[in-house]
Amino acid sequence: AQTVTQSQPEMSVQEAETVTLSCTYDTSESDYYLFWYKQPPSRQMILVIRQEAYKQQNATENRFSVNFQKAAKSFSLKISDSQLGDAAMYFCASRPGQGNLIFGKGTKLSVKP
Amino acid sequence: DAGVIQSPRHEVTEMGQEVTLRCKPISGHNSLFWYRQTMMRGLELLIYFNNNVPIDDSGMPEDRFSAKMPNASFSTLKIQPSEPRDSAVYFCASSPVSRGTGSAFFGQGTRLTVV
Repeated sequence: AQTVTQSQPEMSVQEAETVTLSCTYDTSESDYYLFWYKQPPSRQMILVIRQEAYKQQNATENRFSVNFQKAAKSFSLKISDSQLGDAAMYFCASRPGQGNLIFGKGTKLSVKP
Repeated sequence: DAGVIQSPRHEVTEMGQEVTLRCKPISGHNSLFWYRQTMMRGLELLIYFNNNVPIDDSGMPEDRFSAKMPNASFSTLKIQPSEPRDSAVYFCASSPVSRGTGSAFFGQGTRLTVV
C-alpha cells in the first residue's frame, strides 16, 4: 500500500529565510510521481512542484526546490527567500503511474515578518 | 482553460436529505478523483476514475455515498441520506493520462454542512 508521512505538523520561518519541509513515502511501484501542494486559507489546492521518480535531478520551480532521495524514500521541499504569501498548509503526495494520488497529513507553515 | 469546476461552492442541508456534488474536469483529462477533507482525517481519497470507469472506490465511507462519471466531462458525488458527520470540504481533481505527467489539478471544493 502507498503511504505518505509528514512528520512536522507545524513549521515556522522568518521572512526571507529558508525552510525545509520533510516527507517520506512508501510504495512498491518503480514508476511513480511525487508532488508538493500548497493550500492557503482560501482552501484552493495549488500544485507547487512535481518530481518523476525516474529522474535523478531534483526538480526546481523558482524559490521552491526538492531534495529527492530515492533509496531513502525521502522527498523534502525547500522554500528559499520565504515570503508572507508562502504561509499555508503544505501537502506531500505520491502517485504510482496512473494510479491513486495519496496525500500526507500536511505541514502548516507560518512566515514571520 | 477554466480549470476544474465544482458546484455548488457551499451547501447547507438538513440531516437525512440527499446531497449531490458536481464536477467538470479539465478538457482532455481522463483521470478524476474525489477527496474529502476534514480537520480530523485530512485529505481522504474517496474514489478514482480512469476513462470514466471507477478504478478504486475503497475510500468511499459507506453505502450512503455513490459516485458516477457518465461521460468525460462530468462527475457527481451523491450522499443519501446525509448525516452531520459528512460535513467536510469535498474536492474534485483531474489529471491527464499521458505518461510523463501525473499531475492532478483541483477544483475549489464544495463546503458541505449537514445540520
